[in-house]
Amino acid sequence: KAGVTQTPRYLIKTRGQQVTLSCSPISGHRSVSWYQQTPGQGLQFLFEYFSETQRNKGNFPGRFSGRQFSNSRSEMNVSTLELGDSALYLCASSLRSDLSYEQYFGPGTRLTVT
Amino acid sequence: GENVEQHPSTLSVQEGDSAVIKCTYSDSASNYFPWYKQELGKGPQLIIDIRSNVGEKKDQRIAVTLNKTAKHFSLHITETQPEDSAVYFCAASSNYQLIWGAGTKLIIKP
Repeated sequence: KAGVTQTPRYLIKTRGQQVTLSCSPISGHRSVSWYQQTPGQGLQFLFEYFSETQRNKGNFPGRFSGRQFSNSRSEMNVSTLELGDSALYLCASSLRSDLSYEQYFGPGTRLTVT
Repeated sequence: GENVEQHPSTLSVQEGDSAVIKCTYSDSASNYFPWYKQELGKGPQLIIDIRSNVGEKKDQRIAVTLNKTAKHFSLHITETQPEDSAVYFCAASSNYQLIWGAGTKLIIKP
């Protein structure tokens, strides 16, 4: 079956702009989580959506937001971009909203803020 | 909040030798500990996981051990092969989310 897809794969934006990233989960998966990955920092949890509802949120400012559609596809938005937002943004889907269920990651979107 | 420390940050081993990566966590309520492998240009992929009611789990050349008292868990890879070269992440469950270690870059020398 098709894996998790993320679009776009690469993005260059200027400080102050906003950006929207998209994630299509594996068919049948209803949980989608977003992570920010920076060198030496591991993965930082942004938020998780299950059946169009945000179930959990990490410690990120309100500039970071997301949503999930009825087909489980999810989008993440970052407003008023800062240089420190440059990172790899990973999306992961899971069958259920339960940490013990395997998360399947997409290849990520590389965001560069100049 | 929960903190997961992972060591070493880089590990270089000879092909065929064993590799061990260690993680410590702070939340005593953590009960799920997965290990993920990330290859260049790809997202992380689950390779093995362990729950707090188990002390050790093996899957072919990979094993994970958990010491709840000391709050640490380790990944063991035996008979390392070139395809084991990647970045490995540990994680621990805490407050309905996974807290991740900073990663270990494993280099397999031919």
